[in-house]
Amino acid sequence: LAKTTQPISMDSYEGQEVNITCSHNNIATNDYITWYQQFPSQGPRFIIQGYKTKVTNEVASLFIPADRKSSTLSLPRVSLSDTAVYYCLVGDKAAGNKLTFGGGTRVLVKP
Amino acid sequence: DSGVTQTPKHLITATGQRVTLRCSPRSGDLSVYWYQQSLDQGLQFLIQYYNGEERAKGNILERFSAQQFPDLHSELNLSSLELGDSALYFCASSVGMGGEGYGYTFGSGTRLTVV
Repeated sequence: LAKTTQPISMDSYEGQEVNITCSHNNIATNDYITWYQQFPSQGPRFIIQGYKTKVTNEVASLFIPADRKSSTLSLPRVSLSDTAVYYCLVGDKAAGNKLTFGGGTRVLVKP
Repeated sequence: DSGVTQTPKHLITATGQRVTLRCSPRSGDLSVYWYQQSLDQGLQFLIQYYNGEERAKGNILERFSAQQFPDLHSELNLSSLELGDSALYFCASSVGMGGEGYGYTFGSGTRLTVV
């Protein structure tokens, strides 16, 4: 499984855009990239998933360059409630997918 | 409400005891995954079942076991409990064998405290 590397933490302010980059140098051809958000004492929540180029939904955008060795989660205009841990996962759609969560990125949104 | 139901929400038990955690997956999901989250180790994958069959195994101790029943609910059994087993245990589910498309849907977890 592709190993991922993310910054341990980042601070931001309300209304700003937050970009979190995840490195996954040994991503395989069949691997897709998924981001989750987790609040304290709650289960992770799916944010967005992509395979290549750009994906956008109502809460975030995911940018994936052509070589797919990294990906960037973009959270537009964050609010205090976006303070959470964000995990990047790289997985294979094939059977036996043991999605392993890394340490994640702790995002603190300040007023 | 994510659609994944875990019971109980909280559990306090003594060392050496045995407990069973229960998970009902989201309607239509065939895969169930169990994760352990402790303060110092993050989210650790334990085991996956797909439509009743064990599909993948992670860092699950021999004292722990799980199964998925014909109605697709799953149980995680933890025995000979130790203080270090205190953690949040999450169950997640997905439609297929992996998380392609919509990822995993997680429950709200069971907080286990071993005293």
